[in-house]
Amino acid sequence: NAGVTQTPKFRVLKTGQSMTLLCAQDMNHEYMYWYRQDPGMGLRLIHYSVGEGTTAKGEVPDGYNVSRLKKQNFLLGLESAAPSQTSVYFCASREATGGRGQETQYFGPGTRLLVL
Amino acid sequence: AQSVTQPDIHITVSEGASLELRCNYSYGATPYLFWYVQSPGQGLQLLLKYFSGDTLVQGIKGFEAEFKRSQSSFNLRKPSVHWSDAAEYFCAVGRGITGGGNKLTFGTGTQLKVEL
Repeated sequence: NAGVTQTPKFRVLKTGQSMTLLCAQDMNHEYMYWYRQDPGMGLRLIHYSVGEGTTAKGEVPDGYNVSRLKKQNFLLGLESAAPSQTSVYFCASREATGGRGQETQYFGPGTRLLVL
Repeated sequence: AQSVTQPDIHITVSEGASLELRCNYSYGATPYLFWYVQSPGQGLQLLLKYFSGDTLVQGIKGFEAEFKRSQSSFNLRKPSVHWSDAAEYFCAVGRGITGGGNKLTFGTGTQLKVEL
């Protein structure tokens, strides 16, 4: 049981390049999330998904797109990377029980992205 | 809107000393509160959570936290710190969101340094 895994671990991009970050979970969780972590700002929600084929915007969605074609995978895309997107990106997942806010989110190890 | 404040950016304690990390939240309803720990280069690991019942909750690694509604606080404590506890600690408040799932709002984190 690997939990939540993220690919790649580290990437350097030039401004304007595109890339996709992959998040995979083997816990059969319904909900998945993408966060970005910046110094002094904690984690901020970019996009999330409440099930296969669904996505929704979080706090800071601009410049990112996501897809959830398979339940176990949640992809985060940057179509035209900008230096402001230099960050550490975390994926999380949780099971679909209750939904009132108390359920635990399980996090992946993160992807460090540097945009030059 | 919900918010979380961690007033201490950095804290240094000696190994064996007691620890208290502060967390204050702002939320209109019954809060669901979490403490996560992030070791260098790692993802976030759940230490403990509160959503109802006893206001003193026990977590992993000897940590505990006390929910005080009157003070809007959820401070994390450990009676005797170990060098391996050096990490960044995040407090978060969760709530349900439209369409299911939950949304976590994180504080900006407290970096703990342990002196030997």
